[in-house]
Formats: sequence, structure tokens, C-alpha cells
Amino acid sequence: AQSVAQPEDQVNVAEGNPLTVKCTYSVSGNPYLFWYVQYPNRGLQFLLKYITGDNLVKGSYGFEAEFNKSQTSFHLKKPSALVSDSALYFCAVRDQGGSEKLVFGKGTKLTVNP
Amino acid sequence: ETGVTQTPRHLVMGMTNKKSLKCEQHLGHNAMYWYKQSAKKPLELMFVYSLEERVENNSVPSRFSPECPNSSHLFLHLHTLQPEDSALYLCASSQDRWVSYEQYFGPGTRLTVT
Repeated sequence: AQSVAQPEDQVNVAEGNPLTVKCTYSVSGNPYLFWYVQYPNRGLQFLLKYITGDNLVKGSYGFEAEFNKSQTSFHLKKPSALVSDSALYFCAVRDQGGSEKLVFGKGTKLTVNP
Repeated sequence: ETGVTQTPRHLVMGMTNKKSLKCEQHLGHNAMYWYKQSAKKPLELMFVYSLEERVENNSVPSRFSPECPNSSHLFLHLHTLQPEDSALYLCASSQDRWVSYEQYFGPGTRLTVT
């Protein structure tokens, strides 16, 4: 069965600095990988996904993520953080050859300090 | 907004009450989902509907009863709930239930069971 780990419950960065939110996954086949963001009192919003092709995926609001098959990782990055990026970030995985179920990590709370 | 609406946004109910949560998607999608989000836990998939047919019931107690009258509407009927059922209930939709499609989430219903 597939699984996702987000090793950091919380990440703090200063505005203008680069940010990284970590995600590692486990699947029996090839993965479909997703990042979602949740602002307070809102549902999850899709940011980006990796299906196949280039390992560097670009998404909404200047975010990008790098798929690393050997390290089974899909870390979310942004070159310059904004205070408005403060939110809860979720990584999710589906196994291409297995269950259709989308499995989410526990989430990482990102705080960007002015 | 994501094109998925949920009502009510907040609900307080006693353990003997019967209530329903409503979800509507305006995206022309064929698949709809119910998730439960509890503090400090990953999102839990509850039900999946594809073209109004239930395709997954993720071992959810019978006190939760879903209904999908058409591809745009999804309900979650609640009866004799327990305090541990208090959570944020999220509805989502996707173009289809196949693995590569991202999901679009509603804002959620914050449920409190007293």
C-alpha cells in the first residue's frame, strides 16, 4: 500500500528566503504525486502534480517541486517566500499501477515571518 | 474559489440528531469524494462516487450514509453520531476517478457532535 511522510510538522522561514517543504513516499509501482495547500477555514487547493516527464514540476503561486525517484522524494520549493504563503501544505501520492486511492501526508504548517 | 461548494459551513448536532451535509460541484466532473479531516491526522477518504455510482466505501461506520443523486451533487447523511466524529468534512471532485487527475476541494463543513 502507498504511504506518504512529511517529516516536519512545522517549517518557519523569513520572508524573501527560499522555502522547502519535504515529502517522501512509498509505492509499489510508479507514483503520481501531488501538493495541496490549505489556508485557514478553507478546503485544500491543488498546487502541482507529477505524472511523468520532467522531474521539476512548476505549479501555482511560484511553487515548484522536484521528483527524485532514487530518494523517493517530492519536495516542495519556492525561491522567495511570502507572508501570504503561510498555510498548511499536504503531499499526496497515488500508485499508478495500484489503488486509485489518493493517500495524504499529515501536513506541514509553513509560517513565513515578515 | 475552486468550483466546489459545501453547506452548511458549520454544524453542531447532538448524538441523537439526524442531519445532512451537502456538496455541489460546478466543474462538470464525473467523480466526487467525501473526506474526514481531524486534527493531527492525515485526511481520511470516506467515500468515492463515479458517475453517481459508489465505487469505494473506506470502512466507514454505517452512521454515515452517502447519497449521490447526480454527478453534480453529493450528500452525507448523519445519524446517531459520536463525539469522536467531530471533524472537518471535505467534499472534493475530479474530472474522473483515474489516478492522474487532481481533486478540487470544497471549503468543508466543521461538524461538532455534542
